[in-house]
Amino acid sequence: AQSVTQLGSHVSVSEGALVLLRCNYSSSVPPYLFWYVQYPNQGLQLLLKYTSAATLVKGINGFEAEFKKSETSFHLTKPSAHMSDAAEYFCAVSVPKTQGGSEKLVFGKGTKLTVNP
Amino acid sequence: KAGVTQTPRYLIKTRGQQVTLSCSPISGHRSVSWYQQTPGQGLQFLFEYFSETQRNKGNFPGRFSGRQFSNSRSEMNVSTLELGDSALYLCASSLPGIHTEAFFGQGTRLTVV
Repeated sequence: AQSVTQLGSHVSVSEGALVLLRCNYSSSVPPYLFWYVQYPNQGLQLLLKYTSAATLVKGINGFEAEFKKSETSFHLTKPSAHMSDAAEYFCAVSVPKTQGGSEKLVFGKGTKLTVNP
Repeated sequence: KAGVTQTPRYLIKTRGQQVTLSCSPISGHRSVSWYQQTPGQGLQFLFEYFSETQRNKGNFPGRFSGRQFSNSRSEMNVSTLELGDSALYLCASSLPGIHTEAFFGQGTRLTVV
């Protein structure tokens, strides 16, 4: 079964510091991976997605993620944290249904990012 | 372009009651999915509808049901509410095809007392 594991439920960084949020996946087929961000009392917003076109994926707000098959990882990074990056981040894998053309997203437990001034 | 709209944003219900939540997808999106988000279980898939047909269903009891209308709007219903049903319910819409981006609404916060 396809799944994702996010290491660290809470990450705290200083403003201007590197942001690194970890995600490892488990999949028997080439995975389609996503990172979403959720601000308080809001829905989820897509940051970036990996669909096998390129291993380094650039997203919105300066975030990027690198797909490493050998490590089964898809970690999210941002060179310099901003106060507005404080939110919860979710890694997800797309799981297709074997029949019916449907799919669902399976999410990690999330990582809450705190940015200190 | 209007985003995914969920109504109401907040609901308070009593145990044993039933509730209906509504989701209007982005224009042109025919696939609508529902997710439950709780602090303990995280984000869990409820079901997905496409062209008024349920194509996929998660591991939730039969008290959770949904439907989709011809205009792609969707509703989900929870009957005989339990305290554990308190959660943020998120709706997402997407274009046809696999691995397409899911656009999420702001969610409906359901509190069962």
